[in-house]
Amino acid sequence: ILNVEQSPQSLHVQEGDSTNFTCSFPSSNFYALHWYRWETAKSPEALFVMTLNGDEKKKGQISATLNTKEGYSYLYIKGSQPEDSATYLCAFKKIYNQGGKLIFGQGTELSVKP
Amino acid sequence: DVKVTQSSRYLVKRTGEKVFLECVQDMDHENMFWYRQDPGLGLRLIYFSYDVKMKEKGDIPEGYSVSREKKERFSLILESASTNQTSMYLCASSPGFQKDTQYFGPGTRLTVL
Repeated sequence: ILNVEQSPQSLHVQEGDSTNFTCSFPSSNFYALHWYRWETAKSPEALFVMTLNGDEKKKGQISATLNTKEGYSYLYIKGSQPEDSATYLCAFKKIYNQGGKLIFGQGTELSVKP
Repeated sequence: DVKVTQSSRYLVKRTGEKVFLECVQDMDHENMFWYRQDPGLGLRLIYFSYDVKMKEKGDIPEGYSVSREKKERFSLILESASTNQTSMYLCASSPGFQKDTQYFGPGTRLTVL
């Protein structure tokens, strides 16, 4: 089983704080790295899919970077709002992967207090 | 908009019962997946399917089976439910090409007494 590790497991910040968390994945046989956002009582939703080393993606105040050579991705949230409270999941897809299988990390649970 | 639906949001069953969890997607996706989510363990893949009648074991298939008779429907079966199968079950689908973003259903919270 390939290991995808996320840190920290949980994070509590105040409204307006900027925050970031890490996803580590195997650097060999890399095809894509996904980030999902999972709000309580909702389904996980895709935020970003990144494939190239050095990729940077941005959606509103959320951005992500990718380093495939060393096997990590960072997710940044600038000026966190209470509605950013969710679990953020990353998932690794390896090359030659029949069936679109993703390996998920255990998630980082973010709580933003007003 | 992709829609993935699951038959129940909450389900309570007794030990030893046979349990069916149904998942339907409306976007003609090739791939479908069943996960379970437990606190601190993230999403763990139980089974997946990349075509009708095709299935592959995921990381934790023991105690489960699946059925995919039609492209849009993927069923998870607990042959004889046990208390350690109490969990949140999530179904997902993906198109089967390129980056394979997965689209998730709302989840079924299963409690086995």
